[in-house]
Amino acid sequence: QVQLVESGGGVVQPGGSLRLSCAASGFISNNYGIHWVRQAPGKGLEWVAFIRLPVNDKYYGDSAKGRFTISKDSSKNTLYLQMSNLKSEDTAVYYCAKDHQVLAGVFAMDYWGQGALVTVSS
Amino acid sequence: DIQMTQSPSSLSASVGDRVTITCRASQTISMYLNWYQQKPGKAPKLLIYAASRLQSGVPSRFSGAGSGTEFTLTISSLQPEDFATYFCQQSYSTMLSFGPGTIVDMK
Repeated sequence: QVQLVESGGGVVQPGGSLRLSCAASGFISNNYGIHWVRQAPGKGLEWVAFIRLPVNDKYYGDSAKGRFTISKDSSKNTLYLQMSNLKSEDTAVYYCAKDHQVLAGVFAMDYWGQGALVTVSS
Repeated sequence: DIQMTQSPSSLSASVGDRVTITCRASQTISMYLNWYQQKPGKAPKLLIYAASRLQSGVPSRFSGAGSGTEFTLTISSLQPEDFATYFCQQSYSTMLSFGPGTIVDMK
């Protein structure tokens, strides 16, 4: 069955960097895009980034542009979100989610990981 | 950027009630609208995609409608497991965005 497992969360100081990983299994991960979505404590969902596969196009939300990089290691079926220059407002649970990819242009997230908590604090 | 709004922000309902949540986009998004359910401490779950298509495994009491700028999610007969927060999300733009959420709690 489809499974996504995030890792790499933790506490980081403002201005620091962190790399989140998302291990994918149960589907041909080279054929499906993956999203990163975050949720600050007690808040709503915020889309962060999307890597469209197999074409490898990358898209970012405003909060991620210039600071975050989404990538994929095909040999490991693992997706990454490299985050730099972190700010307190980046504190959130970060989810990776598989793109539904049933209808062209309908970017919906049909499977989600359990989330990884990132806390940016001095 | 496309802004999404939802109404109401919260509602109280009883088991068996018919519940409707509205999502509006700041510009036309055709049918590129998805709905999610999230329970506390859990990841969101896809309910409806492309405005009205029921995701596999989702009960038929959930339905979606709308196009353009106004969309609805309806739960025809609320069940105990449906008390949760519901989010809409647009994918008309590659800068995806979510609505702020609607909390459905027990009256």
